Amino acid sequence: DSGVTQTPKHLITATGQRVTLRCSPRSGDLSVYWYQQSLDQGLQFLIQYYNGEERAKGNILERFSAQQFPDLHSELNLSSLELGDSALYFCASSVDQLLRQETQYFGPGTRLLVL
Amino acid sequence: EDQVTQSPEALRLQEGESSSLNCSYTVSGLRGLFWYRQDPGKGPEFLFTLYSAGEEKEKERLKATLTKKESFLHITAPKPEDSATYLCAALTNSGYALNFGKGTSLLVTP
Repeated sequence: DSGVTQTPKHLITATGQRVTLRCSPRSGDLSVYWYQQSLDQGLQFLIQYYNGEERAKGNILERFSAQQFPDLHSELNLSSLELGDSALYFCASSVDQLLRQETQYFGPGTRLLVL
Repeated sequence: EDQVTQSPEALRLQEGESSSLNCSYTVSGLRGLFWYRQDPGKGPEFLFTLYSAGEEKEKERLKATLTKKESFLHITAPKPEDSATYLCAALTNSGYALNFGKGTSLLVTP
């Protein structure tokens, strides 16, 4: 158990809909990262938040957005869903201080199926 | 462009048959090289971080090494429970996110 929690575990929805994925980082970790894993693309970085502020963006679509709240949990919002958005979505967290505390610990993931 | 390549894509071993997985990287300024293990449908589980060429780390039957161009994950006398996908990822000076390879799917048969 990494200490990172994600809900829900599974999500089935229809095209055009909007969903919200939730992540709670490990206690004391300030950084939260979101990744998407599909069969053909592997693990792809979407976005990072550090202590409530957006820090880095990867290959995140404009239909997707995220935020990190004062209690440090994060939500990933996916809207106007398409079939191709079906994937595993992982959240990771790290302490993100100086002195090489950058190991990212991953949650169990949310499996999204868009029908 | 930063690139991380893992080989082989898939590997089948007999129990007790040692082998190595390769992770080659072409990145601008490596800050750290990470190894993870992932079981089907689960999140990646952290194994090792390597920071500089020549560094080695061990955990049970696994040993990770790092050179200036690649990293190896050596598996000594594997057991069926070592079956999983092994992922390597690079953290570079140009960003905060991990750049993952596509993984090596390892199957260890009794």
